[in-house]
Amino acid sequence: KQEVTQIPAALSVPEGENLVLNCSFTDSAIYNLQWFRQDPGKGLTSLLLIQSSQREQTSGRLNASLDKSSGRSTLYIAASQPGDSATYLCAKYNFNKFYFGSGTKLNVKP
Amino acid sequence: GAGVSQSPRYKVAKRGQDVALRCDPISGHVSLFWYQQALGQGPEFLTYFQNEAQLDKSGLPSDRFFAERPEGSVSTLKIQRTQQEDSAVYLCASSSRDFYGYTFGSGTRLTVV
Repeated sequence: KQEVTQIPAALSVPEGENLVLNCSFTDSAIYNLQWFRQDPGKGLTSLLLIQSSQREQTSGRLNASLDKSSGRSTLYIAASQPGDSATYLCAKYNFNKFYFGSGTKLNVKP
Repeated sequence: GAGVSQSPRYKVAKRGQDVALRCDPISGHVSLFWYQQALGQGPEFLTYFQNEAQLDKSGLPSDRFFAERPEGSVSTLKIQRTQQEDSAVYLCASSSRDFYGYTFGSGTRLTVV
């Protein structure tokens, strides 16, 4: 069974802090990795996609890295804002399906 | 449309009732997925279509769950004789043939009472 683990499960930080969300997998088969954001009662919004041949992707204040050899991905959020408060999910993609972690619930306090 | 559309947004069903959930993917998207998300958990795979062909249904939890995509566009997920453990958000996603990320809909929240 392919398992995806996200640490921490919840995180509360003051506005302006830089923070790191972690994601790990049980196997390192070639795959794409995607980070999503989910607001309460809403669907998933794609943040960053790292294809199997890539090591990282950046978009604005977000940077995601992928280390296939260790089966880990990291999402770095710079200068966090209250609007960043949401649940962040990482998902490994292979064999035509996503395998999701349970998410990290982020609260950024003003 | 510009995104993946799911309807209804909310559905309350009495235990034992049949329900049908609809997904309108982005026009021209070949691949379509259904996922089930229980409260506080990440989404879990249910089934995958490429055009009208259901290529993987390994995630469907029981034979009460059935999905179809007869013309390769709109898809319907049907749950027969609903039970309380079926309460969840059901998410649909679609993608073009060449993978570059999937677009998810906002989901249907099913509550079985």
